[in-house]
Amino acid sequence: SAVISQKPSRDICQRGTSLTIQCQVDSQVTMMFWYRQQPGQSLTLIATANQGSEATYESGFVIDKFPISRPNLTFSTLTVSNMSPEDSSIYLCSVEEGGYGYTFGSGTRLTVV
Amino acid sequence: KQEVTQIPAALSVPEGENLVLNCSFTDSAIYNLQWFRQDPGKGLTSLLLIQSSQREQTSGRLNASLDKSSGRSTLYIAASQPGDSATYLCAVKGSQGNLIFGKGTKLSVKP
Repeated sequence: SAVISQKPSRDICQRGTSLTIQCQVDSQVTMMFWYRQQPGQSLTLIATANQGSEATYESGFVIDKFPISRPNLTFSTLTVSNMSPEDSSIYLCSVEEGGYGYTFGSGTRLTVV
Repeated sequence: KQEVTQIPAALSVPEGENLVLNCSFTDSAIYNLQWFRQDPGKGLTSLLLIQSSQREQTSGRLNASLDKSSGRSTLYIAASQPGDSATYLCAVKGSQGNLIFGKGTKLSVKP
């Protein structure tokens, strides 16, 4: 199955600033998915990123807050903009591969102070 | 709207016990179901993937079953070890194509 390198693994950020999270996949994939996991909660899909087109955002998530780039078939970034303490979560990227299901990155643990 | 429920929310067992984690989903029109393990503050590790046409999958001490018509899956862990301590997440891939997660079962295996 694919291997995903995600960074940073964790960060502590000041409110009002932005953080960009990177995911690198060791194979070419059509779609990459970005999830958020708030403390004590399960995973919620933020958006789906296709190479060469705008990301598709789920209800409750907007591009101005979570801009996504997908410059090629192996790489994507998610930016958390104008952060507030409510953005403190684990952010994860994921890809789907037919017979293997979904594979996830190691996650980025974000704390906003 | 698909909803996934996991019971129990937390479980503490002594080492060596066999245990069962439960997952239920409201819409039986799924493509597959996947079990994950999550260690604190970390990403997800895939344990088992069951396609909608399959009844069960096995990997080592883990066995997952799927009863699509009743909207249920179970994860059986044999001879539990302290290293099995983690949160176990169940997720279904539905007709919309994305994964819907349960809230997980937090397992603690005591030496």
